[in-house]
Amino acid sequence: AQSVTQPDIHITVSEGASLELRCNYSYGATPYLFWYVQSPGQGLQLLLKYFSGDTLVQGIKGFEAEFKRSQSSFNLRKPSVHWSDAAEYFCAVVSGNTGKLIFGQGTTLQVKP
Amino acid sequence: DAGVTQSPTHLIKTRGQQVTLRCSPKSGHDTVSWYQQALGQGPQFIFQYYEEEERQRGNFPDRFSGHQFPNYSSELNVNALLLGDSALYLCASSLALTGATDTQYFGPGTRLTVL
Repeated sequence: AQSVTQPDIHITVSEGASLELRCNYSYGATPYLFWYVQSPGQGLQLLLKYFSGDTLVQGIKGFEAEFKRSQSSFNLRKPSVHWSDAAEYFCAVVSGNTGKLIFGQGTTLQVKP
Repeated sequence: DAGVTQSPTHLIKTRGQQVTLRCSPKSGHDTVSWYQQALGQGPQFIFQYYEEEERQRGNFPDRFSGHQFPNYSSELNVNALLLGDSALYLCASSLALTGATDTQYFGPGTRLTVL
């Protein structure tokens, strides 16, 4: 069965430091992958998505993610974190042909001033 | 261009009661999916509606049911509420034409508390 694992439940970085959030997926075919961000009490906002092609995907707010098939990973990165990036981040994979999303447990990002 | 909207924002119910949550999809979208997000967890897929029919369902009991209207808006109904049904309920809309590659856009959610 398809699954998504986010190994880091909580990450703390200093403002201005670089960030990498890990995501590993389990999927038999070519995966369609997403990263979403959720601010406290809010819905999910799409950061970026990967369907095919270039394995380095650019998203909003300066985020990027790299798809590595050999490692079954889709890690999210940002070169310089801002205090406003503090939120919950979810990696997800599409299951089947109807767009059903399977989410990881999420990673909480805390940003130190 | 209005995004996905949900109502109400918050809801408090007691065990055994029934609740109805509502969702209006993003303009131009025809498919609505519902997710349950328990505290500290990722969203879990409940079901998806397209052309007023349930197209796919996750591992949720029959107490969870839904409906889609001709204008593509949708309702989620939960009967015989349990304490464990307390969660944030998220609605997402998409366009069926693009299938699995379509992006789902999420609403702000309805926070349900069952006492």
